[in-house]
This record gives sequence, structure tokens and C-alpha cells, in this order.
Amino acid sequence: GQNIDQPTEMTATEGAIVQINCTYQTSGFNGLFWYQQHAGEAPTFLSYNVLDGLEEKGRFSSFLSRSKGYSYLLLKELQMKDSASYLCAVRDSGQNFVFGPGTRLSVLP
Amino acid sequence: EPEVTQTPSHQVTQMGQEVILRCVPISNHLYFYWYRQILGQKVEFLVSFYNNEISEKSEIFDDQFSVERPDGSNFTLKIRSTKLEDSAMYFCASSRRGLQETQYFGPGTRLLVL
Repeated sequence: GQNIDQPTEMTATEGAIVQINCTYQTSGFNGLFWYQQHAGEAPTFLSYNVLDGLEEKGRFSSFLSRSKGYSYLLLKELQMKDSASYLCAVRDSGQNFVFGPGTRLSVLP
Repeated sequence: EPEVTQTPSHQVTQMGQEVILRCVPISNHLYFYWYRQILGQKVEFLVSFYNNEISEKSEIFDDQFSVERPDGSNFTLKIRSTKLEDSAMYFCASSRRGLQETQYFGPGTRLLVL
């Protein structure tokens, strides 16, 4: 079956670094996506990984290991506005998108 | 900055009724998507659309659902006979090219089926 796991909630302090992990078991793999979703709002695209390694985009970086079925999203220099849910999604061999349950991040002053 | 728009923002309907949710993707985008999110649950992919036809669809997207691009700007999702479990937030998204490109989401339509 299709399964994506993420921690349900995380808490971090303003200015710190936080790593949000995602593990997946899907029928095939055609890319992994990270989205940010503030409560009551639409998801916002953050990153896309299809090859192993680290993709860096400003304060956000995303890492992928296809052999381990593992990804993480790294957020640096945390700001209060980073408090949101972070969604991991995988595109499988059938070209469907499978979303994880999301990780709710709370950034404290 | 261009954005995806969706109408209506909220819709309440009776079970068994047909609803049409409307989206206007960003004008130079070629790929369009519908997702849904039941309250408190994860986002679920419904369908992707390219070159005036469905390119992918999930198991959720059964015969009760259909999509259409009736003109050069609108992209619609029709639910023929709504069920209580169709109550959810429905998001439209578009991207300029394929999935490697950033997908821009609209603000969503909250559908409530009574």
C-alpha cells in the first residue's frame, strides 16, 4: 500500500534550525514534494526532489534518499511566520500524488 | 503577481445535488490540478489535466466527478450527485510546465453537503 509518515507535531524556537522528516513507501517513485500550509489556507509549494541529495532554496533545504525512502525538510533561522503545517507528498509510478498527514510546526519566541 | 482564483469560496448543497466548482488558473500555465482536503485530514490528489484531457486521476475521482476547460480561462470540477462525504475544501492548482515546476494553489472552495 501507499504510506507516508511524518511526525505529527514539532516545536522550535525563533532563530533555531528544525528538521522535519518524512518516510515513504509507495508503488514507484517519481518525485517528492514539500508544501507549507498555514491554517485555513491553501498549500504553498516549497521544494521538489527527484534525485538523491540536497536542494537548497534560501532558508529552506530538502534532502532525499531514494534507497532509504526518506526525505527531510530543513528550516533555518526560524521565524514566527514559519509556524504552519508542512506536507510531504510523493508522486508514485502511477503518477498519482500521495500526501502525508503533515507536521504541525510551532515556532516559539 | 498572478494567482489562481476559485469561486465560490463557500458552497452549501443538499445531498444528491450537482455542484460545479470553478477555477481560473494562471494564464500561461498549461497543467491544472484538483485536490481536496477533508477537515482535519490530509490533502488528497484528485486529477491532473493537460492539453484538454485528463492526464492522471486518483481512485477518489470516480464517475461522479468530471473536469472541463470550457473556455480559455476556466477549469471546472463537477460533482454530479453529491454525498455527505464530499464535504471538504477543494483546491485547484496550476503549473507552467510539468510537475518539476512550482504548483500554485488557489484559495480553495469549502463545500458542505447536507
